[in-house]
Parts: sequence; structure tokens; C-alpha cells
Amino acid sequence: DADVTQTPRNRITKTGKRIMLECSQTKGHDRMYWYRQDPGLGLQLIYYSFDVKDINKGEISDGYSVSRQAQAKFSLSLESAIPNQTALYFCATSAYGGGSDTQYFGPGTRLTVL
Amino acid sequence: RKEVEQDPGPFNVPEGATVAFNCTYSNSASQSFFWYRQDCRKEPKLLMSVYSSGNEDGRFTAQLNRASQYISLLIRDSKLSDSATYLCVVTGNDYKLSFGAGTTVTVRA
Repeated sequence: DADVTQTPRNRITKTGKRIMLECSQTKGHDRMYWYRQDPGLGLQLIYYSFDVKDINKGEISDGYSVSRQAQAKFSLSLESAIPNQTALYFCATSAYGGGSDTQYFGPGTRLTVL
Repeated sequence: RKEVEQDPGPFNVPEGATVAFNCTYSNSASQSFFWYRQDCRKEPKLLMSVYSSGNEDGRFTAQLNRASQYISLLIRDSKLSDSATYLCVVTGNDYKLSFGAGTTVTVRA
């Protein structure tokens, strides 16, 4: 079984709808991240959490919110989806421990907003 | 200016060839450097960390030049399975990663 899972894997929705993307991990890591990837751009950090009580905005948090329900679960919500939020979304985890910690990514969620 | 910049390629090479490409970063305080590999529409996976003295992992060699603020990746004896997008990744002292947009390598038979 995969260490980092994301649901759904694909989603098509309409403008204005509320969408939740879920991420679960079995790696026992404290740190979790949400990124989006657009063609021709690097992954952009949306939100990150270093533990259950710690939530931080990334570089592109506008229009998104998150919830860290447990160490193993980190959800990303789009309260009112818009077409320019169409992208590939990745969840990632890393262990605490210095600046060289490896990030482990989930398989991604492909979101299309019509 | 983007924090991490890469030549998007594509680099099209025959099997067995050597291919090399660079990535530049803007933050001189960057502390850690990595190459991740991403196959089409899949998640990025760590290929290798990049150390100050340079390091090899099999057919892959990574170099860091702090003075000029770039890192490089060289792939020797290219295999078809090396076809992928290679992401340059840099971290600062806040442990957040900054990703380049990737360099695409295509190895042909």
C-alpha cells in the first residue's frame, strides 16, 4: 500500500462549488504539505503543517483552506472553486529533522474547474 | 525573478549518451539542494541530494557551485528509463522547498 494517499484522484467540478481534497499518510511524519502544479511552472506551496497544531500559509494560499485532523491526515479545501484553480495537486510529507529531509509525495489529484 | 530556474528542454538523446543540465537559484542563503524525478503525470520522487563536494549515485552525478549559485545533473550511459522530467529543488533555513519547473529528458532507442 502507498505511504501517502490522496482522494479523489480526479475531479471535475463547476465554478462556485466547494471541493475538499484529502491526504492520508502512514509514514508517521509530522510535516505535511499541499502543492499545486501547473504546466511550465514548478510546484507551488499552498499550505504546510509541521504538526497537528501548526498550520502555515505557503506562497499561494488565497482561495484555499486546510485542516489537519490528525497527524496522518491533512485536507485541502477550495471554498468556491474557480477555473484558474484547475491544476494537479500534490500532498507531501516529511520527517522532522534538519534542512535535508526528503519529501514524499502522494500520487496527485487532477482537478478541473469548469 | 523565479527562485529556481531551469532550462525546460527537452533534451533528446540516444541511448548510451551523456546528458547534462543546470539549474540556477536566486537565494544565496539556500542550504540544501536536491534533484527530484517526475514521470509524466506522476508524483515527484527524490533522485538524489546534492552535496557541496559533489556526489555520484550510479550513472548520476550532481554538482553544486555556491559561488555561481547553480547545481547540475549529469546522466551517463542514458537508458530509455531515464526519460522523465528532472526537478531542481532548493531549501532555505525554513525547510520549505522551492521547485524549478523541470528539465525534460527524452532518451531514444
